[in-house]
Amino acid sequence: DAGITQSPRHKVTETGTPVTLRCHQTENHRYMYWYRQDPGHGLRLIHYSYGVKDTDKGEVSDGYSVSRSKTEDFLLTLESATSSQTSVYFCAISEAGGTDTQYFGPGTRLTVL
Amino acid sequence: SQKIEQNSEALNIQEGKTATLTCNYTNYSPAYLQWYRQDPGRGPVFLLLIRENEKEKRKERLKVTFDTTLKQSLFHITASQPADSATYLCALDELEAGKSTFGDGTTLTVKP
Repeated sequence: DAGITQSPRHKVTETGTPVTLRCHQTENHRYMYWYRQDPGHGLRLIHYSYGVKDTDKGEVSDGYSVSRSKTEDFLLTLESATSSQTSVYFCAISEAGGTDTQYFGPGTRLTVL
Repeated sequence: SQKIEQNSEALNIQEGKTATLTCNYTNYSPAYLQWYRQDPGRGPVFLLLIRENEKEKRKERLKVTFDTTLKQSLFHITASQPADSATYLCALDELEAGKSTFGDGTTLTVKP
């Protein structure tokens, strides 16, 4: 998985609780992405980062925030989890961003009860 | 509205045959198109990239075509094997958008 780890790999939580997912890379790539994958919707971009402290929204960013204080770490936070955020979350990295090939992490399966 | 459609959610073929997967798009102007493979419980893995000015790209048993007039990419796996069974995703890359947009994927099953 190209030097990308995600933690936790599985999490079950209750509606209304905060949740933070972590993505860690050892490739020193500038760009990092968070996607969610749901049946019938494919991969959808939540947020991405183009450098330390530089982030931007994707197509499904409502209810999510991100932070990147170091090149290697990209955090995704659900401030108050809802059942609609039950999904598999993938982190990806790319060297040049834009249309450059992305390398994906193993994913985090999140269940919100 | 913009749309990416990959042919039927599931495709079943016999070992040794050629698998052909399609990716059709509407209201996009991609500069590149990429194909990824995803196995159950894993993240997608990059396979091939084809540029808008390229008609065809090959890598071992894989072949990708890109027709910007038809707004379609075809992904072929020749001499398919059970190990080729996976979900295959296409991704459109628009330079203006600066990001990739993924299709829902087609699940290929190759039966021995």
